[in-house]
Amino acid sequence: SQQGEEDPQALSIQEGENATMNCSYKTSINNLQWYRQNSGRGLVHLILIRSNEREKHSGRLRVTLDTSKKSSSLLITASRAADTASYFCATDRGYNFNKFYFGSGTKLNVKP
Amino acid sequence: DSGVTQTPKHLITATGQRVTLRCSPRSGDLSVYWYQQSLDQGLQFLIQYYNGEERAKGNILERFSAQQFPDLHSELNLSSLELGDSALYFCASSVDPGSYEQYFGPGTRLTVT
Repeated sequence: SQQGEEDPQALSIQEGENATMNCSYKTSINNLQWYRQNSGRGLVHLILIRSNEREKHSGRLRVTLDTSKKSSSLLITASRAADTASYFCATDRGYNFNKFYFGSGTKLNVKP
Repeated sequence: DSGVTQTPKHLITATGQRVTLRCSPRSGDLSVYWYQQSLDQGLQFLIQYYNGEERAKGNILERFSAQQFPDLHSELNLSSLELGDSALYFCASSVDPGSYEQYFGPGTRLTVT
């Protein structure tokens, strides 16, 4: 079964609003990553947060990690139409960091 | 542009056939990963190679095989193709097989008719 699951499955917001996506996972991890995928294209790495980190920022992105709840959230502030894409979290399993597991993704639609 | 190249971009073939997908990692990356993305299964990890050796296996069918060559490019071979194998196949690379971000290629869209 998938290690990570995103919530919500789909999100539609107006340009300028903030978008929050959540990811839950099942087993301990070494790190968690967020990726973006524009329709039918390759995934683009956004940010990596290690298991000993609680929060990380990159431009308009803010990621939090709560290992006690086995969950992470991705916040995109001041969203733009160009942010329209699917967003995936990817985790490794603590005992085998060679394997990466992707969730089913959140489809974000930012309306201009 | 991630620096990872995949060929071909599109592939249409018939059931029962065999195809080979090719991936060239970013310059300097030693680790290559293969993923399958279909509408009903999402993004599934298939297999990982590091410097020519298999490092991890995921949900890869026995009809599928892969290898990484001395020049670090990788090939994914899919045989006895079924309609359900129709999907996007992505290759990704990273510097290290550990906890490093992966860089994805543009994918190969396989359609089995």
